[in-house]
Amino acid sequence: AAGVIQSPRHLIKEKRETATLKCYPIPRHDTVYWYQQGPGQDPQFLISFYEKMQSDKGSIPDRFSAQQFSDYHSELNMSSLELGDSALYFCASSSRTSGSRFSDTQYFGPGTRLTVL
Amino acid sequence: AQKVTQAQTEISVVEKEDVTLDCVYETRDTTYYLFWYKQPPSGELVFLIRRNSFDEQNEISGRYSWNFQKSTSSFNFTITASQVVDSAVYFCALSTGNQFYFGTGTSLTVIP
Repeated sequence: AAGVIQSPRHLIKEKRETATLKCYPIPRHDTVYWYQQGPGQDPQFLISFYEKMQSDKGSIPDRFSAQQFSDYHSELNMSSLELGDSALYFCASSSRTSGSRFSDTQYFGPGTRLTVL
Repeated sequence: AQKVTQAQTEISVVEKEDVTLDCVYETRDTTYYLFWYKQPPSGELVFLIRRNSFDEQNEISGRYSWNFQKSTSSFNFTITASQVVDSAVYFCALSTGNQFYFGTGTSLTVIP
């Protein structure tokens, strides 16, 4: 079965540089989520999109932005990178039950490991 | 406010022992979902189970079993006859809508 695809898998950047992470959800999933997981931490919710519109916003810094495109893939853009941005970034996808505020189970991609030097 | 507590930070067991990972949650919502995810050393998050708040029936899947008790707001996970491949960080999560609230995870080490 198709899973969530994230690219790149590893990324090394210098401080103050920019980075773009890409996420391709499971086919027919309409909702995409982004999480940041620091070393030894639990995943922290950043932002989500439903049908290409921002759905929920978590602890996403102002230096970060994201969008979901017409083909449902999503990109997380990170600018003015800081050392503290070094983390594993997960994308997850799910499908929202019609008429419900609940989404189905979130299936996670393999993550992008970002290292900021 | 929603909160998930996994009080056990690290657990070590010898292979073939049974182990239970605890999860306690807080929410004022009457409808919610609970999840367990496994994060092996390779880093990916693997979905294990989803349970909705109206279904307190316990579930068994092979060596895995889950005990959901609304009275104590707990959703515990038991691995029977543990194996080295079970070594991972296990996260319990709560969803009351579209956001997930993760616990801090329990790192399980199974010693051969």
